[in-house]
Amino acid sequence: EVHLLESGGGLVQPGGSLRLSCAASGFTFSSYAMSWVRQAPGKGLEWVSAIIGSGGSTYYADSVKGRFTISRDNSKNTLFLQLNSLRAEDTAVYYCAKYLITGTAPDYWGQGTLVTVSS
Amino acid sequence: QSALTQPASVSGSPGQSITISCTGTSSDIGGYNYVSWYQQHPGKAPKLMIYEVSNRPSGVSNRFSGSKSGNTASLTISGLQAEDEADYYCTSYTRSSTLVFGGGTKVTVL
Repeated sequence: EVHLLESGGGLVQPGGSLRLSCAASGFTFSSYAMSWVRQAPGKGLEWVSAIIGSGGSTYYADSVKGRFTISRDNSKNTLFLQLNSLRAEDTAVYYCAKYLITGTAPDYWGQGTLVTVSS
Repeated sequence: QSALTQPASVSGSPGQSITISCTGTSSDIGGYNYVSWYQQHPGKAPKLMIYEVSNRPSGVSNRFSGSKSGNTASLTISGLQAEDEADYYCTSYTRSSTLVFGGGTKVTVL
């Protein structure tokens, strides 16, 4: 059974940094692209970033490009998201998600971790 | 990348069928057969209901079906049930190798 567990969320001041982690189990982690998707309070889903199975290619939404960095450690079945230069509008629940083997969309999602950017 | 366009809300009575539309451009929906649909209940993580336009993951009811014509995709829920009341989001792969989501549709079972 696929299991994704996010951690690392919390309250941070504008301009601050945070590192999110996602521990994966129940599948061959290195074979699948992974992504982060966020949801601001009371709002819709927003795709943030993705990384292929080998970690060799990464992709970002324009809203976070240059501020966020996605990475993975396949030896530890863990996905990361480094959040820098945080803004109030980055406040959201951040979901870790596993992609379909075709790499066209996420199929399994974690329960999310809340990031609050406020002074 | 602009969000895909969905109606804010759709409602129907138990047993009826409803359809949710999702409109994009030739750079996303129109360019690829990579449209997916997610169901999200309050306080829960999204659940994949349809992938690659019309494919259902194992365990998803066959009351859910998807289609696409040009730059618009659709999700149809037939035999509407109380448990179907939730938010529904479409998403599409894009020319930039990113994903773009729709704004979401709240489905209400009357």
